[in-house]
Amino acid sequence: AQSVTQLGSHVSVSEGALVLLRCNYSSSVPPYLFWYVQYPNQGLQLLLKYTTGATLVKGINGFEAEFKKSETSFHLTKPSAHMSDAAEYFCAVSGRGSYIPTFGRGTSLIVHP
Amino acid sequence: KAGVTQTPRYLIKTRGQQVTLSCSPISGHRSVSWYQQTPGQGLQFLFEYFSETQRNKGNFPGRFSGRQFSNSRSEMNVSTLELGDSALYLCASSPTLESTDTQYFGPGTRLTVL
Repeated sequence: AQSVTQLGSHVSVSEGALVLLRCNYSSSVPPYLFWYVQYPNQGLQLLLKYTTGATLVKGINGFEAEFKKSETSFHLTKPSAHMSDAAEYFCAVSGRGSYIPTFGRGTSLIVHP
Repeated sequence: KAGVTQTPRYLIKTRGQQVTLSCSPISGHRSVSWYQQTPGQGLQFLFEYFSETQRNKGNFPGRFSGRQFSNSRSEMNVSTLELGDSALYLCASSPTLESTDTQYFGPGTRLTVL
């Protein structure tokens, strides 16, 4: 069984400020973790994923996430927010033997000028 | 390489009708998954097809069905539509059934049931 909890349905930051979107997971097998972004009226686009190896994962658009097994977390960060980062962000988990990913409820990122 | 395409993009139906949505995966991808996205329930897995066989099914009533063709294109059908079926239906394709596979999503079909 696996589940994902995204803390905060909305996160508001100023342009240029640090972005931190939180994701905690539960998985009975070693997890594979994903972050997706969804812009209005579009499908989901992969930002980054962790499968094995280095726990700090770099993705597109300047985003990165760190897999912390002891904290069962996979938080998404970006040093400096841009207006174009405003979107819905989804964390997802899958695992060996459970290839269907389970998605979190999503976090809406709002960027103020 | 072309992305995942879904047709139609928008649909308006009335209660009791049925609807068929289509998804064309990325060339070479053999796995197609369907998701329902609503504000209340978020992203919920409907079913997955691989090599024309349904490999996994989510917790949805039998009114929701699907199929996959030999060219990996997939269709999903919803019969006897209910108001609660109004949602964005997303299709995603991936090369195989590996857990590490990235799912590539289409833009979705927005279904409105009146």
